[in-house]
Amino acid sequence: QSALTQPASVSGSPRQSITISCTGTSSDIGGYNFVSWYQQHPGKAPKLIIFDVDKRPPGVPNRFSASKSGNTASLTISGLHSEDEAYYFCSSYTTSSALVFGGGTKLTVL
Amino acid sequence: QVQLQESGPGLVKPSQTLSLTCSVSGGSIIVGNYYWSWIRQPAGKGLEWIGHIYRSGSTNYSPSLTSRVTISIDTSKNQFSLRLTSVTAADTAVFYCAAMRIETGAFEIWGRGTMVIVSS
Repeated sequence: QSALTQPASVSGSPRQSITISCTGTSSDIGGYNFVSWYQQHPGKAPKLIIFDVDKRPPGVPNRFSASKSGNTASLTISGLHSEDEAYYFCSSYTTSSALVFGGGTKLTVL
Repeated sequence: QVQLQESGPGLVKPSQTLSLTCSVSGGSIIVGNYYWSWIRQPAGKGLEWIGHIYRSGSTNYSPSLTSRVTISIDTSKNQFSLRLTSVTAADTAVFYCAAMRIETGAFEIWGRGTMVIVSS
């Protein structure tokens, strides 16, 4: 299966909001509500920040929100903090019980 | 709190088999509704799902790797393992083991990752 499509990079200033898109197909994002988002700082393992399209695990700030429309999922970070600078990856279940990730988006906090 | 730790050789020769083990601590590998998973990340690139195994031993693999991948589980040792055959330089990556919640498809717990270089 092909990787989900994410923009290579996004940027924003502190306290601003940014949105990262993640586009797939009806065989993955469009077909399941099993979209997750991960934050990865350099040299670290990814950390789950969103599951089931729009749910936050305990401890994840409510500045992180997400949604899905059709074959595209979106992650929004409101009120950017410097520590939000990281890579962000989306993932989705696909047909045949496989998983697929997006290519990743580098967020720069200016 | 379940924790995962990858182990295995950091250097593998081309055409040989890459073998890694993930040790699960802080909980039993047969408790909880997880798929025990392997994911890799080439340097500077994105994440790639390799496959996963359930406590029963049932597996799912990435279609692009299925001919070369085997994931196994040893419940007596609280471990699961990855074998990737016929490796090439393109298999050089950081390999992560992770626990994926079956109900959500979300990788809730990650190991720290281990770097594997394929080189002669």
